[in-house]
Amino acid sequence: KNQVEQSPQSLIILEGKNCTLQCNYTVSPFSNLRWYKQDTGRGPVSLTIMTFSENTKSNGRYTATLDADTKQSSLHITASQLSDSASYICVVSDRGSTLGRLYFGRGTQLTVWP
Amino acid sequence: EADIYQTPRYLVIGTGKKITLECSQTMGHDKMYWYQQDPGMELHLIHYSYGVNSTEKGDLSSESTVSRIRTEHFPLTLESARPSHTSQYLCASSAPSRQAVYNEQFFGPGTRLTVL
Repeated sequence: KNQVEQSPQSLIILEGKNCTLQCNYTVSPFSNLRWYKQDTGRGPVSLTIMTFSENTKSNGRYTATLDADTKQSSLHITASQLSDSASYICVVSDRGSTLGRLYFGRGTQLTVWP
Repeated sequence: EADIYQTPRYLVIGTGKKITLECSQTMGHDKMYWYQQDPGMELHLIHYSYGVNSTEKGDLSSESTVSRIRTEHFPLTLESARPSHTSQYLCASSAPSRQAVYNEQFFGPGTRLTVL
């Protein structure tokens, strides 16, 4: 069964600190993995996208890693800001359909305190 | 910022009412999707469309229906709303594979529906 599991479920950190979010998946055949940021009451916005051959991708203070062998990914946030408070969702796409089927994790709810 | 819009953003209605959630995109994308999301849970695909006059049911069974008469418009309708329909509904679109980078889906801001 294709699944995406994220940890931790929630995380609270102080402003300026770093944090790392985890994602494990069983989706096969694998196409790509994305990290989305979803602010409360808004739709998800893409942060990074990685294919099988990419093992790291950065977008400003966000750095995603991918280990396709162990089917694990992480999202590292550096020097956190209050605006980083949001849900971070790991999404994996398979190669098995023309639809571009996406499998969503439940997200990690990050809260950054001043 | 993706050009995909949803209205209304918030809707509170009584049981038995008919409602239509609007979704429009100005990117010319062929594929469009509707997702349902409850708090703290993953997004579930309820409907999708490959293009005009194409609609398919997604993984999560839903009593809602959709139509795709125009490329840019993908409304979702509930004929008789019930409290169990209370949820957030997200619309998304993506370009054809030959144009898109990794079939990325762009999401609208969502409609928060509450049925009393």
